[in-house]
Amino acid sequence: DAGVTQSPTHLIKTRGQQVTLRCSPKSGHDTVSWYQQALGQGPQFIFQYYEEEERQRGNFPDRFSGHQFPNYSSELNVNALLLGDSALYLCASSLAGTAGNTIYFGEGSWLTVV
Amino acid sequence: AQSVTQLGSHVSVSEGALVLLRCNYSSSVPPYLFWYVQYPNQGLQLLLKYTTGATLVKGINGFEAEFKKSETSFHLTKPSAHMSDAAEYFCAVSVNTGNQFYFGTGTSLTVIP
Repeated sequence: DAGVTQSPTHLIKTRGQQVTLRCSPKSGHDTVSWYQQALGQGPQFIFQYYEEEERQRGNFPDRFSGHQFPNYSSELNVNALLLGDSALYLCASSLAGTAGNTIYFGEGSWLTVV
Repeated sequence: AQSVTQLGSHVSVSEGALVLLRCNYSSSVPPYLFWYVQYPNQGLQLLLKYTTGATLVKGINGFEAEFKKSETSFHLTKPSAHMSDAAEYFCAVSVNTGNQFYFGTGTSLTVIP
């Protein structure tokens, strides 16, 4: 049973560029959430996708956008990259419909903006 | 609004000693509480969670936590630390809609031989 998988694992981008990160949820899960974890900090909620729609959004600018595909996989896009966007981006999956569900994390994508 | 406070960003214990990592939460509705562990360069792994029922919950690797509503706390303990417990520990809260998680800033646990 495959867990949450993310790609790429590491990448370096230049300020102003755009980046796309990808996530495949754990088998049987239909909900994908994205978190940003800056160095020395806890994960911060970016947004959540369910049924191919953004259902909830944290306090992140519109430069952060996403998509969910019919197979439940998801992408996170960040435009006009800033140095402060350098972080570990974590994808988490869960099954909708039950309060208190555990979310399962992938290994993350390390983004460095130079 | 929900928030999590983890007291002590760094905790050091001797091997075999008691581990106590503190977590206090703020929630306007009954919370669901979680502890996750993160090893270097890895994602987060669930240690244990409280949803309803028994307030003392047991998790993996000998860890347990007790939900105390009156103290709005969910402290993590382990009777005897092992070298392999050295990692970053995160407390998190979610509420009954949408599964959005709010994380604390983490506590780095060092185990001294």
